[in-house]
Amino acid sequence: KNEVEQSPQNLTAQEGEFITINCSYSVGISALHWLQQHPGGGIVSLFMLSSGKKKHGRLIATINIQEKHSSLHITASHPRDSAVYICAVYSGGGADGLTFGKGTHLIIQP
Amino acid sequence: DAMVIQNPRYQVTQFGKPVTLSCSQTLNHNVMYWYQQKSSQAPKLLFHYYDKDFNNEADTPDNFQSRRPNTSFCFLDIRSPGLGDAAMYLCATSRDLAGVEGGYTFGSGTRLTVV
Repeated sequence: KNEVEQSPQNLTAQEGEFITINCSYSVGISALHWLQQHPGGGIVSLFMLSSGKKKHGRLIATINIQEKHSSLHITASHPRDSAVYICAVYSGGGADGLTFGKGTHLIIQP
Repeated sequence: DAMVIQNPRYQVTQFGKPVTLSCSQTLNHNVMYWYQQKSSQAPKLLFHYYDKDFNNEADTPDNFQSRRPNTSFCFLDIRSPGLGDAAMYLCATSRDLAGVEGGYTFGSGTRLTVV
């Protein structure tokens, strides 16, 4: 079974700071997803990565398949970015659902 | 907008009284999932449907059942809720199991309280 580790677990930063959240996994994957969960429960899919790098607005996600590692970066962070960011992987091979990391609780202070 | 809708948003049920949570989608996605998320924990997959094919996770209690009468709707039935079943229940959809084709779309969740 894939083990997904995220760091840090909690992060508090000032508005405007550059944010990095890391994710590592133990077994090869077909896809890695970065998700955002706001208080109240709703989850939004941010990125799907199988290789390389993706950018959407102020968010950048990268993955290194050889090192089994991914990072999510937020540039010019804003209080509205405050949320839990979750890394989840799909390994396939009989495990039909996502394996989730425990999430990184991000607070951006004005 | 195409979306995943869960009803109700909050559900209170009595200990041992059957309860049904519903999920509908307008995305025409092949796969529908039910996840259980307890406070400060990662979501845990209960089961999923790929079209009409039902797939149960090995550690999902027998107390939990699911129905998918058509592409758009999926239901989670808890036959005899216990206090430990209080959680947020999340429905999600995707075109493919890996989420490669368009990622996953989650509903807003149903928060279940058992009294």
